[in-house]
Amino acid sequence: AQKVTQAQTEISVVEKEDVTLDCVYETRDTTYYLFWYKQPPSGELVFLIRRNSFDEQNEISGRYSWNFQKSTSSFNFTITASQVVDSAVYFCALSEAKAGGSYIPTFGRGTSLIVHP
Amino acid sequence: DVKVTQSSRYLVKRTGEKVFLECVQDMDHENMFWYRQDPGLGLRLIYFSYDVKMKEKGDIPEGYSVSREKKERFSLILESASTNQTSMYLCASLPWGSVTDTQYFGPGTRLTVL
Repeated sequence: AQKVTQAQTEISVVEKEDVTLDCVYETRDTTYYLFWYKQPPSGELVFLIRRNSFDEQNEISGRYSWNFQKSTSSFNFTITASQVVDSAVYFCALSEAKAGGSYIPTFGRGTSLIVHP
Repeated sequence: DVKVTQSSRYLVKRTGEKVFLECVQDMDHENMFWYRQDPGLGLRLIYFSYDVKMKEKGDIPEGYSVSREKKERFSLILESASTNQTSMYLCASLPWGSVTDTQYFGPGTRLTVL
C-alpha cells in the first residue's frame, strides 16, 4: 500500500527565512508520481509540482525548489526567502501508475506554514 | 479554464438534517472524489466515482452516501447530519487512467452541524 508522511504538522518562520517541508513516501511500485499542493486560507488546493519516479533531477521555480531522493524516499520542498503570502497548508501526494483504470492519489496530512512579517 | 465548483462555501445545518453537497466539473473527467479535511488529519477520502452511477468507498464512508447520475456532477449526502461531521469538504476530479495528471479541486464547503 502506498503511504505519504509529512512529519511536520506546523512550521512557523519569520519573513525572509528559508524553510523546508519534508515528505517521505512508501510504495512498492517502480513507477509513481509525486505531487505538491498548496492550500491557502481561501481553501482551494493549488497544484505546485509533479515529479515522476524516473526523474530525480531537482527542480527550481523562482523561490520554490524540490529535492527528490529515491534513496531516502523523500520529496522535500524548500521555500527560499519566505514571504507572508507563502502562509498556507502544503500537501504532498503520491500516485502509482497502474495499467488503465482509475487510481487513487494518497495525500500526506499536510504541513501548515506560518510566515510572520 | 478548468473548473470544479461546489454548491456552497459555507453551510450550517442542524443535527439530524439531510444534507446535500454538490460538486460540478466542466472538464469531462471520469473520476470524481469527495474528501473531508480536518486539522491534523489531512485529506481523507470519503467516496470516489470513476464513472456515471459507479461509486467506491474511500477510507471513511460511514455516515455518507454519494450519487453520480451525470458525468459532471457528484453529490455527497449526509443522511442524518451529526456534529462530528462538522468539517471542510473538498471535491476533486481527474481524467480516467491518468496518473500523471493533477487532481483539480473545488474551493471547498465548510459545513457546521449544530
